[in-house]
Amino acid sequence: AQKITQTQPGMFVQEKEAVTLDCTYDTSDPSYGLFWYKQPSSGEMIFLIYQGSYDQQNATEGRYSLNFQKARKSANLVISASQLGDSAMYFCAMREGSTSGTYKYIFGTGTRLKVLA
Amino acid sequence: DAGVIQSPRHEVTEMGQEVTLRCKPISGHDYLFWYRQTMMRGLELLIYFNNNVPIDDSGMPEDRFSAKMPNASFSTLKIQPSEPRDSAVYFCASSWSVAGNYEQYFGPGTRLTVT
Repeated sequence: AQKITQTQPGMFVQEKEAVTLDCTYDTSDPSYGLFWYKQPSSGEMIFLIYQGSYDQQNATEGRYSLNFQKARKSANLVISASQLGDSAMYFCAMREGSTSGTYKYIFGTGTRLKVLA
Repeated sequence: DAGVIQSPRHEVTEMGQEVTLRCKPISGHDYLFWYRQTMMRGLELLIYFNNNVPIDDSGMPEDRFSAKMPNASFSTLKIQPSEPRDSAVYFCASSWSVAGNYEQYFGPGTRLTVT
């Protein structure tokens, strides 16, 4: 079973509009972390935002926010006011394993976002 | 500050040859990770170290792969012998546990092509 599921292989959004990239996860670990990374065509992986499982509030970083719905096990990334430079591949990832002390980092398959002028 | 440094950036080798990928983590970081990215399998964690000690190598595909971290500022990933199916981009990442969020800083990657 997939631990991290990103159901949108590709998305389009008009410049200056907001877009939501979906991510659902599966874990039985009570303490876990959720991440979003951006990978532009140049190939580097850029950290965007982090949400801890015990965090009460949704994480925000500039134009990025994470819509964390724990009961639904979803951690959607919201990008506000899209820019052309946001066109990239976006990966959702999870860190679990705090109870065992051996962490597992699992990445989703990614969503390719294209921002249209 | 310099980020995670990987070398070489590109490597082309013939099947059967030994390949060594190198990584220098960010100074002060206590975790180091090796990932492999392919179109078919996405981004996979191969192995990670904490304070130079390998913690989980369950992602290493087979015995042809080995990784070492002799000190806090250097790690290698070795493939011997290499096969065409090892062609991928290999990323090294480091993180600092004290930071709390366990954010991983990725290197630029090494694109490996095995012919």
